[in-house]
Amino acid sequence: DVKVTQSSRYLVKRTGEKVFLECVQDMDHENMFWYRQDPGLGLRLIYFSYDVKMKEKGDIPEGYSVSREKKERFSLILESASTNQTSMYLCASSFLAFGFKDYGYTFGSGTRLTVV
Amino acid sequence: DQQVKQNSPSLSVQEGRISILNCDYTNSMFDYFLWYKKYPAEGPTFLISISSIKDKNEDGRFTVFLNKSAKHLSLHIVPSQPGDSAVYFCAASGLSGGYQKVTFGTGTKLQVIP
Repeated sequence: DVKVTQSSRYLVKRTGEKVFLECVQDMDHENMFWYRQDPGLGLRLIYFSYDVKMKEKGDIPEGYSVSREKKERFSLILESASTNQTSMYLCASSFLAFGFKDYGYTFGSGTRLTVV
Repeated sequence: DQQVKQNSPSLSVQEGRISILNCDYTNSMFDYFLWYKKYPAEGPTFLISISSIKDKNEDGRFTVFLNKSAKHLSLHIVPSQPGDSAVYFCAASGLSGGYQKVTFGTGTKLQVIP
């Protein structure tokens, strides 16, 4: 079974703090993604990566950055946390092309981040 | 601009009956469509997909129908079971900026009543 592991289930951080969300996958997937899920807005793509050291902006990258130094690890960074970044953050991974179309994305269990 | 829309935020169905979840999209360049199921405190799990060159795909109790002319897809669950109670996300995929990009809908919460 493919596993995508997010390091924390729940986090509470203060406004202005730098926050790191970590994600690790164990199936040698090329693609990795960060989404946030908010009520009434569904899942929105923040950043994604198709290879090591490669990153691309998604639909809502403002206030976030990412790092992918190793194939299995994709980190999301909130440079200066704000209350409007309180959300459920979901990491996902997939094969590059054909595998995605048969199996879709594999998601982690999510990190519920609260910024106070 | 919501390119993938699920207009029903919630749906209640009796156990054993059919559940029909609907999804509309606006981008005619989408070439693949997927459904995900999400339980509380878990990540979404892939359920079923369909290519734009097909109009139906079936997997056990789950069938997805695609109507390209109407830009509409639906997920049928027959028979519905209490364990199907979850939030269902519709997703559409297409090339954007040289990459295969997936856009998710807002989700429909399905409750199957025993």
